[in-house]
Amino acid sequence: DTEVTQTPKHLVMGMTNKKSLKCEQHMGHRAMYWYKQKAKKPPELMFVYSYEKLSINESVPSRFSPECPNSSLLNLHLHALQPEDSALYLCASSHSFDRAGELFFGEGSRLTVL
Amino acid sequence: AQTVTQSQPEMSVQEAETVTLSCTYDTSESDYYLFWYKQPPSRQMILVIRQEAYKQQNATENRFSVNFQKAAKSFSLKISDSQLGDAAMYFCAQRPFNNAGNMLTFGGGTRLMVKP
Repeated sequence: DTEVTQTPKHLVMGMTNKKSLKCEQHMGHRAMYWYKQKAKKPPELMFVYSYEKLSINESVPSRFSPECPNSSLLNLHLHALQPEDSALYLCASSHSFDRAGELFFGEGSRLTVL
Repeated sequence: AQTVTQSQPEMSVQEAETVTLSCTYDTSESDYYLFWYKQPPSRQMILVIRQEAYKQQNATENRFSVNFQKAAKSFSLKISDSQLGDAAMYFCAQRPFNNAGNMLTFGGGTRLMVKP
């Protein structure tokens, strides 16, 4: 199994809603990542978890709250988002924190904030 | 700080022909890795090819090969015998060798179109 699975594929939410994005991998990877990608732009790193601990937070606003319940799961909790937060949110995993760039990406969750 | 530049926002190639995507980068690190990632319209990004900067030999993966010019800080991707399935966004990326957090610096991307 070499997949990173993300749900939902599409999400529409209002600025007052609370929703969550979910990511799952069963490759035994110990590092997991959230990226944000705007149209026709490269992915931007948001968070990195290593061994279920938050290792990197790229100055992301607190309306995005990551959670790593176990080594296979990664969530991104969303609250009070702004329209400019509309984007494709990509989850990725890698064998370990420092393994050279071999990231496995999910297909992403397309988020629209109204 | 690292920067990665892809000067071709869009490229097109005829099926079965060869195309080269350009990438230049800047870094103060002596050891680093370079990558090409492919993001098809279905959006899942996949690693195409990886190059260790300390290796002089250019990496190859089937129809994909790179031309790595370390002194010029250039890392182009050549796709031979282009196929319709090669149509995608291609991102060049870099990370230092000793980099906790696997933090990649991506270029702006090149959209490759393949004409039948």
